[in-house]
Amino acid sequence: AQSVTQPDIHITVSEGASLELRCNYSYGATPYLFWYVQSPGQGLQLLLKYFSGDTLVQGIKGFEAEFQRSQSAFYLRIPSVHWSDAAEYFCAVASGDSSYKLIFGSGTRLLVRP
Amino acid sequence: DVKVTQSSRYLVKRTGEKVFLECVQDMDHENMFWYRQDPGLGLRLIYFSYDVKMKEKGDIPEGYSVSREKKERFSLILESASTNQTSMYLCASIVPPGTEAFFGQGTRLTVV
Repeated sequence: AQSVTQPDIHITVSEGASLELRCNYSYGATPYLFWYVQSPGQGLQLLLKYFSGDTLVQGIKGFEAEFQRSQSAFYLRIPSVHWSDAAEYFCAVASGDSSYKLIFGSGTRLLVRP
Repeated sequence: DVKVTQSSRYLVKRTGEKVFLECVQDMDHENMFWYRQDPGLGLRLIYFSYDVKMKEKGDIPEGYSVSREKKERFSLILESASTNQTSMYLCASIVPPGTEAFFGQGTRLTVV
């Protein structure tokens, strides 16, 4: 069965620091991979996605992510954290067959120190 | 813009009541999903549907059922509400395989 694991529940960083959020998935083939962000009281916003090809993908707001097939991992990177990046980040995995199933990880809450 | 609309933003129900949560999307998407979101647990998939009258169980279907009689509408049913079903419920629709999932605004359900 598909599963998504985000090992970090909370992360606190200083503004300006770089950050990497981890996501590991379990699936028989290479799935479709996504990172979403949810700011307090807001809905989910897609940051970026990976389907195939170049393993480094660029998203909105300067975010980027790297797919590492050998580790079944999809890492989100923030080069320089801004206070407005404080939010909850969700990794999601989808299968590509006819009964398309989209599942999410448990989320990582990012806190930013001024 | 794709619009996914959930019928209620806030709902308070009594234990044992039958509860209907409605979701409507206006972009002719075939695939629709129901999740519940709880702190520390992320979004957990309850049920999903990839066509009219087609449904599949997600990871936590117990205590829930769904109905998809029309393409645009996907209903979540709590047959007999219990306090452990107090949660935020999110509906989403998507065009697979990899477009963005569009979410409704959520329904915060409290079962007392």
